[in-house]
Amino acid sequence: DGGITQSPKYLFRKEGQNVTLSCEQNLNHDAMYWYRQDPGQGLRLIYYSQIVNDFQKGDIAEGYSVSREKKESFPLTVTSAQKNPTAFYLCASSISPNTEAFFGQGTRLTVV
Amino acid sequence: GENVEQHPSTLSVQEGDSAVIKCTYSDSASNYFPWYKQELGKGPQLIIDIRSNVGEKKDQRIAVTLNKTAKHFSLHITETQPEDSAVYFCAAFRGNYQLIWGAGTKLIIKP
Repeated sequence: DGGITQSPKYLFRKEGQNVTLSCEQNLNHDAMYWYRQDPGQGLRLIYYSQIVNDFQKGDIAEGYSVSREKKESFPLTVTSAQKNPTAFYLCASSISPNTEAFFGQGTRLTVV
Repeated sequence: GENVEQHPSTLSVQEGDSAVIKCTYSDSASNYFPWYKQELGKGPQLIIDIRSNVGEKKDQRIAVTLNKTAKHFSLHITETQPEDSAVYFCAAFRGNYQLIWGAGTKLIIKP
């Protein structure tokens, strides 16, 4: 089945630790995105990648890092520099930014 | 930069009635306006979209209208059903690979 897979679904980490969220797609899409979702708010763009080995900061990139070594994979690292990392993280992919975006099921990160 | 406002934040309608959600955008250069539905604990899914060269688009019970002059677009759901209960997001494409999202509308269908 074609789609986009995020793992894990739930993640608990201690304050000060880095954590990496996985995102894999088999849709052959060039563009991939990471969003953060907080209660009562829309999706906010963290990072996006248009092509392998290239990525750009979104509106809230501080405290996050990404890599795009393969077309299928776009992992997100939440670093200890992120002041308020507890949130629901969504990964998406699309052929281009003004076409349908396909989302994963999300990862709920809780920092304790 | 682009800003998208979405209203209402919560909408409760009787099953079988219609629901309307409205969004306004600020950047007149925006040219693509999708609507996504998000069910609890899942990622959003596209339900309908419209481009700036079209004023209205329909897909069965769902329709979207766009008023470029007033810079607003609306989602219309007719004959609502229990499975329509979800959070709905509008968005506007401003270029530079960025969609700008509204804050979402929680739609509640009362039996």
